[in-house]
Amino acid sequence: AQSVAQPEDQVNVAEGNPLTVKCTYSVSGNPYLFWYVQYPNRGLQFLLKYITGDNLVKGSYGFEAEFNKSQTSFHLKKPSALVSDSALYFCAVRANYGGATNKLIFGTGTLLAVQP
Amino acid sequence: DGGITQSPKYLFRKEGQNVTLSCEQNLNHDAMYWYRQDPGQGLRLIYYSQIVNDFQKGDIAEGYSVSREKKESFPLTVTSAQKNPTAFYLCASSKVPGNQPQHFGDGTRLSIL
Repeated sequence: AQSVAQPEDQVNVAEGNPLTVKCTYSVSGNPYLFWYVQYPNRGLQFLLKYITGDNLVKGSYGFEAEFNKSQTSFHLKKPSALVSDSALYFCAVRANYGGATNKLIFGTGTLLAVQP
Repeated sequence: DGGITQSPKYLFRKEGQNVTLSCEQNLNHDAMYWYRQDPGQGLRLIYYSQIVNDFQKGDIAEGYSVSREKKESFPLTVTSAQKNPTAFYLCASSKVPGNQPQHFGDGTRLSIL
């Protein structure tokens, strides 16, 4: 079955320290992977995606993600966390049902809390 | 600026009542989606549409209905058959093909009176 796992419900980090939010996936074929961020009572905002090419993908607000095919992982990273990064983060993979569908499978989300 | 507009922001449903959530986009996207978000469960797909006058059930379609008469609009009706409708509902749209990100509205929070 195709799935996405975010093993940590919450990640706590001090401002200025590096952060990592973990994501692993299971999908047939080559994965299309996405990271989104959600602030309270708002929709999801797209951060970055991996389709093909370099394993290190750079995105919005200084975030980047590392694709690791052998470990089927796509961890989100940032070198120096800000208090304003505190939010709910979702990893997603495109469901591979054939055709041109954009159906996504989402993880359960990881709450990032950055302490001043 | 282009974007997705969901209305209303808050909605209350009485027992036995159908309610309709609005979703409009001006991004010229072909595909549109409805998700339900519950705490600790992530996003679950209710319905999606890849083209006007066509839509497909997602993972949790029971108790919901949609229409796609215009490219810009994809309303969701929560029927009385949906016994646990309290949730945050998110609408999204995207270009096709499948390597394009989805763009989200700011959601409608539905509660039971």
